[in-house]
Amino acid sequence: DTGVSQDPRHKITKRGQNVTFRCDPISEHNRLYWYRQTLGQGPEFLTYFQNEAQLEKSRLLSDRFSAERPKGSFSTLEIQRTEQGDSAMYLCASSLDGGAEAFFGQGTRLTVV
Amino acid sequence: GQNIDQPTEMTATEGAIVQINCTYQTSGFNGLFWYQQHAGEAPTFLSYNVLDGLEEKGRFSSFLSRSKGYSYLLLKELQMKDSASYLCAVMRDDKIIFGKGTRLHILP
Repeated sequence: DTGVSQDPRHKITKRGQNVTFRCDPISEHNRLYWYRQTLGQGPEFLTYFQNEAQLEKSRLLSDRFSAERPKGSFSTLEIQRTEQGDSAMYLCASSLDGGAEAFFGQGTRLTVV
Repeated sequence: GQNIDQPTEMTATEGAIVQINCTYQTSGFNGLFWYQQHAGEAPTFLSYNVLDGLEEKGRFSSFLSRSKGYSYLLLKELQMKDSASYLCAVMRDDKIIFGKGTRLHILP
């Protein structure tokens, strides 16, 4: 296993379009996180899963954002009706369990024009 | 809620020592992480402190005082490749919450 992988690496979309990102965690990791990061800021927590269960979603997230992890393996993050303010790096991380170090993917850079 | 504070930027000289401080206020504290992030890259794990005290790992050391809500990352024998952002993160209950990061500039 080569680590956490994210697809696509870059996405440019027009405002109002829907986008979906995929994250494949390290295979034995049951914890999966999604973060958003803008320039000069730390990663902002969006949501996380324990296996297929979504445990928490940030109150900062609007209803346009949804995430799934249907079989407890890969996860998807969908943004509906994108806005320019959604432009950011979307990072996925996984860990063996809660309380363990998280390993990050390279991220998906979203640009909304 | 939670609040994680660290300096926005720091500058140090190659070969020197630098200490990056982090203070936090959070409920459900279960440990503190330090990550390194080079520009345009993903964060990479440096250290994890659960108990009070100093953990040393090569040129990098991390300290935690839970009673004071305080941690620091100590970098020794600085190298140019240490120029990066250093992210302090707390394990709140069982999820990882990051501070804004400290951008460290290394001068030759």
